Amino acid sequence: GAVVSQHPSWVICKSGTSVKIECRSLDFQATTMFWYRQFPKQSLMLMATSNEGSKATYEQGVEKDKFLINHASLTLSTLTVTSAHPEDSSFYICSASLDYYGYTFGSGTRLTVV
Amino acid sequence: KNEVEQSPQNLTAQEGEFITINCSYSVGISALHWLQQHPGGGIVSLFMLSSGKKKHGRLIATINIQEKHSSLHITASHPRDSAVYICAVLPIMNYGGSQGNLIFGKGTKLSVKP
Repeated sequence: GAVVSQHPSWVICKSGTSVKIECRSLDFQATTMFWYRQFPKQSLMLMATSNEGSKATYEQGVEKDKFLINHASLTLSTLTVTSAHPEDSSFYICSASLDYYGYTFGSGTRLTVV
Repeated sequence: KNEVEQSPQNLTAQEGEFITINCSYSVGISALHWLQQHPGGGIVSLFMLSSGKKKHGRLIATINIQEKHSSLHITASHPRDSAVYICAVLPIMNYGGSQGNLIFGKGTKLSVKP
């Protein structure tokens, strides 16, 4: 089946540094990738939608300069958390659209900013 | 009020018990997804439904579009079923949803004791 590989699984970084999270579609072409964050005991919240070759569409309240999304190819989308702060500590997960209705999810990245 | 409500929030069961998790939603939908999130965070798509009933192994998912309600059943539950089960809906366009923007419930945390 369609698999999205997400790396790293977890990362600890110092406040002020940047962290890049990658999502690769292994056996299909992901035209659209969704990026979510999840706080403890909360539901997933959509941060942005990225389409290959075009700028990402960010949800209201998500700082596009802080959360840089690049979807330069049909198999790779990246989320870079710039100048990370402790409040950015969260679980980030990507999802690829298989068709209008189907989705496959990455395994998630737990980010801790110290 | 959340557009997707799940019940119960937490569920503890003994191994072998029949389990039901409910999902109610308030928007018109194109499809409904049941997802499983394990303690490590990774998400697996269990079912995608737009009508009727689907079965996969010990898992059964049903949906009643008229009543805007879906249920996920687990027969002969096992400790390895312990996870958070998430209901997510894909709104249809004329209800204000954008293609691909799933709306997630908060999840039901299931613990199955041996």
